[in-house]
Amino acid sequence: GIQVEQSPPDLILQEGANSTLRCNFSDSVNNLQWFHQNPWGQLINLFYIPSGTKQNGRLSATTVATERYSLLYISSSQTTDSGVYFCAVGTMDDYKLSFGAGTTVTVRA
Amino acid sequence: EAGVAQSPRYKIIEKRQSVAFWCNPISGHATLYWYQQILGQGPKLLIQFQNNGVVDDSQLPKDRFSAERLKGVDSTLKIQPAKLEDSAVYLCASSLVVLASPLHFGNGTRLTVT
Repeated sequence: GIQVEQSPPDLILQEGANSTLRCNFSDSVNNLQWFHQNPWGQLINLFYIPSGTKQNGRLSATTVATERYSLLYISSSQTTDSGVYFCAVGTMDDYKLSFGAGTTVTVRA
Repeated sequence: EAGVAQSPRYKIIEKRQSVAFWCNPISGHATLYWYQQILGQGPKLLIQFQNNGVVDDSQLPKDRFSAERLKGVDSTLKIQPAKLEDSAVYLCASSLVVLASPLHFGNGTRLTVT
């Protein structure tokens, strides 16, 4: 099956800082989603972004499908941005949406 | 719009006992997923339904796990008998169509097997 690698595994930020999270995948995808899992365990869908660029407030994401990677940008980070960010991908050959191991983000006040 | 509903929120059982989890997806969502998330890992797909048919159950331990989605709406995931390694959070998710739309998760059921 498709391999999903996220980097870095851990990230510590000072409030107000910007950061970039990366997701690399091993095959062509037609489905890519970013999720935030808050400290209480709730998984929130941030972006459905199989290609191109999207922005939602302080968050934006870019997927370059031909080069098999996606980036999630967090600007002006806040303590509420803390948690684990997951990238999940799927292909037409395999209906499964496979998750990466996640990037744990800690934003300090 | 109401989100994905799951119950119970927490469950503690002894090994070899049975347990069942319930999920009600977002109204109109044809695709329903059950994921298992072990502490410190990403969610792992157990089973995926399209309406009331199974699309993928390749990672479901069928000797002890079973799932059904009656009438293409609610779903139940059962474990019988439970093992210690089944301790995890069981997440239900739904999407409008398979693969081509965002996944929305419920709050999950935290299972502890002692």
